Amino acid sequence: ETGVTQTPRHLVMGMTNKKSLKCEQHLGHNAMYWYKQSAKKPLELMFVYSLEERVENNSVPSRFSPECPNSSHLFLHLHTLQPEDSALYLCASSHRGSSYEQYFGPGTRLTVT
Amino acid sequence: GIQVEQSPPDLILQEGANSTLRCNFSDSVNNLQWFHQNPWGQLINLFYIPSGTKQNGRLSATTVATERYSLLYISSSQTTDSGVYFCAVGGRGSTLGRLYFGRGTQLTVWP
Repeated sequence: ETGVTQTPRHLVMGMTNKKSLKCEQHLGHNAMYWYKQSAKKPLELMFVYSLEERVENNSVPSRFSPECPNSSHLFLHLHTLQPEDSALYLCASSHRGSSYEQYFGPGTRLTVT
Repeated sequence: GIQVEQSPPDLILQEGANSTLRCNFSDSVNNLQWFHQNPWGQLINLFYIPSGTKQNGRLSATTVATERYSLLYISSSQTTDSGVYFCAVGGRGSTLGRLYFGRGTQLTVWP
């Protein structure tokens, strides 16, 4: 695998379900990000992790719970979501202390029914 | 946060035509990236260009940081260029390089 990978690519879940999104970067980066892309809205940052420490939570509801066990992996745990949470969730990584040029994964398209 | 405005919002071209996409931003930046989002949602890195000019094949970009704008040029458009083009910027005070995105330019190239 190269670059940034995300699984699953598509997810349909009910409002009472619990699921997790996974992101893995193979670029040797040390900062990782979750972004949300909703229809007709700009991409918006959700969380930033650096060296496994969360450094920003962009006013995201608690039904989204991130986890970064090491510098290569990032998870987004989902529970009791709402239909308006349906969106494309994108993971990105960059190298802290360098240019911060970000590279994105292919995204997980989430539908909440 | 930094405001990012992209224009035009939509662009329809015949194959072979040239185009210019613009990105204006509201504050000083130390990161500016252009992306192409393909139909499956993947953001493809085109340029990392906080200042200056770069070229990659039929694509080139120029950022004039002092005037807070960037331009993406596409020459000899092909149908495979279709998709949404995003400009994203990061400010000097931004947490760990967080990016602020514009709303994108939807490009459609007809054969």
